[in-house]
Amino acid sequence: AQKVTQAQTEISVVEKEDVTLDCVYETRDTTYYLFWYKQPPSGELVFLIRRNSFDEQNEISGRYSWNFQKSTSSFNFTITASQVVDSAVYFCALSEGRAAGNKLTFGGGTRVLVKP
Amino acid sequence: GAVVSQHPSRVICKSGTSVKIECRSLDFQATTMFWYRQFPKKSLMLMATSNEGSKATYEQGVEKDKFLINHASLTLSTLTVTSAHPEDSSFYICSARDVKNIQYFGAGTRLSVL
Repeated sequence: AQKVTQAQTEISVVEKEDVTLDCVYETRDTTYYLFWYKQPPSGELVFLIRRNSFDEQNEISGRYSWNFQKSTSSFNFTITASQVVDSAVYFCALSEGRAAGNKLTFGGGTRVLVKP
Repeated sequence: GAVVSQHPSRVICKSGTSVKIECRSLDFQATTMFWYRQFPKKSLMLMATSNEGSKATYEQGVEKDKFLINHASLTLSTLTVTSAHPEDSSFYICSARDVKNIQYFGAGTRLSVL
């Protein structure tokens, strides 16, 4: 069965500090997708990134970067030079693909608090 | 990015009444939508998968007669909480999956049953 673990429940940083969120996953499939979503206090989940299991290239988008390592089953997310607007709960999620109905399994989430 | 609209954002109802929540994909068609429930400071729990033109698939432990799902068109799925009770109070959030298999989420509905 698939499982996603976000060991950090809450991280507090001061503005401009970097923050890295850990995500470790378990799956028996060779084809799967990994996601990160942001949930600000307003409640909606905002899609940040999707990565498939065959693409281990790291990705950078502005102040966000992602490090995917199949060898350690991890898909970590770093926010560089954090800002107060980055305060939110961040969820890592796994989808095992069409055979599993493309359902998402979410980690427990990491609450990030960026203080001015 | 794709936009999913969920309505209402908040509803307060009396115990025993039914509440309908709508989920619309505004700029894309979604043959599949999902309904989740989220408890305070917890992760999202998948309740059911809503398939256009067919019956929804419910997760284990979710009462299908309690949580009625209808997906009558490629842009609309509805969740009806029937005979709501205080224990049904929660944050319900829907998502719609696009052709790239990415789920885009609505803003959620906070249900309070008195």
